[in-house]
Amino acid sequence: QKEVEQNSGPLSVPEGAIASLNCTYSDRGSQSFFWYRQYSGKSPELIMSIYSNGDKEDGRFTAQLNKASQYVSLLIRDSQPSDSATYLCAVMATNAGKSTFGDGTTLTVKP
Amino acid sequence: NAGVMQNPRHLVRRRGQEARLRCSPMKGHSHVYWYRQLPEEGLKFMVYLQKENIIDESGMPKERFSAEFPKEGPSILRIQQVVRGDSAAYFCASSPRQTALNTEAFFGQGTRLTVV
Repeated sequence: QKEVEQNSGPLSVPEGAIASLNCTYSDRGSQSFFWYRQYSGKSPELIMSIYSNGDKEDGRFTAQLNKASQYVSLLIRDSQPSDSATYLCAVMATNAGKSTFGDGTTLTVKP
Repeated sequence: NAGVMQNPRHLVRRRGQEARLRCSPMKGHSHVYWYRQLPEEGLKFMVYLQKENIIDESGMPKERFSAEFPKEGPSILRIQQVVRGDSAAYFCASSPRQTALNTEAFFGQGTRLTVV
């Protein structure tokens, strides 16, 4: 079992729809959770971080965390073609320094 | 405020040569992390360094790979006697302290290593 698993994708949604990206993790000691966006050939860009159970909203992005279920998700509302990218879920245990990444989910938003 | 700077952006090496990848963290950041990304795969942790110290090298291959972060100058990831399987994108990230709650790490643009 992988430490961090993401829905395999690719995921395709029409412009204006809600895109839902999911991630599960195996280490119950994980305390910090991140979503990165990576365009093809580019570096990962941090778009959301979440540390406590519940929802965290930032513009069109909402991260949801459920530590009991070891589940974290990212919702993108009003999806735009510019959101087309690979989304990486990253998980870190407190003070571990390193993050463990999932393999990513590729999202395509069709105009 | 410049971000994390990596150079070179692209590096081509013949099998058996050495590759040196450099990473200058963001101003005020003293923690550096190296990750490797193979084509169509996620990022794999390699090593975590503080100034003059290796904190966690659990992701580093046992042979041919080494890393340092001297008191002055950038962090260096060194790959000796490169093989084709080393071809990948190598990303460096930095943070102001050991990443814990409310501290994120930011990535550089990466070095894309091609071994021919």
